[in-house]
Amino acid sequence: EAQVTQNPRYLITVTGKKLTVTCSQNMNHEYMSWYRQDPGLGLRQIYYSMNVEVTDKGDVPEGYKVSRKEKRNFPLILESPSPNQTSLYFCASTRAGGIHEQYFGPGTRLTVT
Amino acid sequence: KNEVEQSPQNLTAQEGEFITINCSYSVGISALHWLQQHPGGGIVSLFMLSSGKKKHGRLIATINIQEKHSSLHITASHPRDSAVYICAVRGNTDKLIFGTGTRLQVFP
Repeated sequence: EAQVTQNPRYLITVTGKKLTVTCSQNMNHEYMSWYRQDPGLGLRQIYYSMNVEVTDKGDVPEGYKVSRKEKRNFPLILESPSPNQTSLYFCASTRAGGIHEQYFGPGTRLTVT
Repeated sequence: KNEVEQSPQNLTAQEGEFITINCSYSVGISALHWLQQHPGGGIVSLFMLSSGKKKHGRLIATINIQEKHSSLHITASHPRDSAVYICAVRGNTDKLIFGTGTRLQVFP
């Protein structure tokens, strides 16, 4: 089954404690993205990757890092989380180039206290 | 002004009603996506359009490229259609720009 998985699904943490949200896809997609979703603001892109070892900033990259060492995995790293990073996070993947369906992970609800 | 605007923001309907959700965009696009987000949070792709009209079951999506407008129609609405519907456009890159969503509630 074609899918994007994310872990954990729910996380409560404290300010400053480094965390990683994993994302994995099994469709051999080149393009992967991380989004955050906040009330009234819709989905905003944090980082994206066009392929292995190719990553770039999206619209709201401050406070986040990513890596793309393997094609299937695209982890999101918060080195020093702050309360304003409390949000619902989605990973997504698609084939690069052309017009292709987007596949989203189930979401990770992060609360930073 | 957002590049992708949806209306209405909130919509309530009685079961069986015909529903229309609108999406207007201000940028050049190569494709437009309609997505559905259920209360549990997961997002699924409903349609991907670059022209004309698509139909899947009770759902119909149309796009008018000249007017930069798309509509999502739900015929014979059902409580299980209750969800947030999100319009997203793709420009010349793989990046999507999202609307803020339309929250639909269908009551029995």
